[in-house]
Amino acid sequence: ILNVEQSPQSLHVQEGDSTNFTCSFPSSNFYALHWYRWETAKSPEALFVMTLNGDEKKKGRISATLNTKEGYSYLYIKGSQPEDSATYLCAFFRASGTYKYIFGTGTRLKVLA
Amino acid sequence: DSGVTQTPKHLITATGQRVTLRCSPRSGDLSVYWYQQSLDQGLQFLIQYYNGEERAKGNILERFSAQQFPDLHSELNLSSLELGDSALYFCASSVAGEIETDTQYFGPGTRLTVL
Repeated sequence: ILNVEQSPQSLHVQEGDSTNFTCSFPSSNFYALHWYRWETAKSPEALFVMTLNGDEKKKGRISATLNTKEGYSYLYIKGSQPEDSATYLCAFFRASGTYKYIFGTGTRLKVLA
Repeated sequence: DSGVTQTPKHLITATGQRVTLRCSPRSGDLSVYWYQQSLDQGLQFLIQYYNGEERAKGNILERFSAQQFPDLHSELNLSSLELGDSALYFCASSVAGEIETDTQYFGPGTRLTVL
């Protein structure tokens, strides 16, 4: 069974704090990892597509790193704002005979003003 | 607004029935993806079509089928509906056919309730 785990499940931070979450995935047969931001009552929004070990991507105050050898990716938010409150999802692609595109259960972030 | 449209917004039906969900991709996008978001299973990839052809298949049940038409809109058909099919169904689109590396744009979703 392929598991994509995200931690923590949820967290509350104060406005201005920096925070980070983890996405863990099987390190074998890695192909790509996606990060999504999903606000309540809206649709998922793509943040990053990551394919190479050591990849670092940045979009404004949000950045992500990728370690395919050990099977994890970190998402960082610098200087959190209330509008960053959302669920952050990662999705893992496995490159092998059986096609697999698996989503984690997400990290729910609440930024308190 | 991502530019992806889905109809209807809400659908209520009974067990055993069949429904069709519709998706129009962003202008210029050739790929359409279907996802199911249920309370107990989280977000699951169902299927991808690229320029009218099935490109990738995920956890789609045999009772479900999809197609993409020449104008690139797509329909997801759900038949012999069960209570457990109640979920939010998302459509997404991307420019090309590479699900692994394309950026996907999600529609607003169709909420299906099976009574």
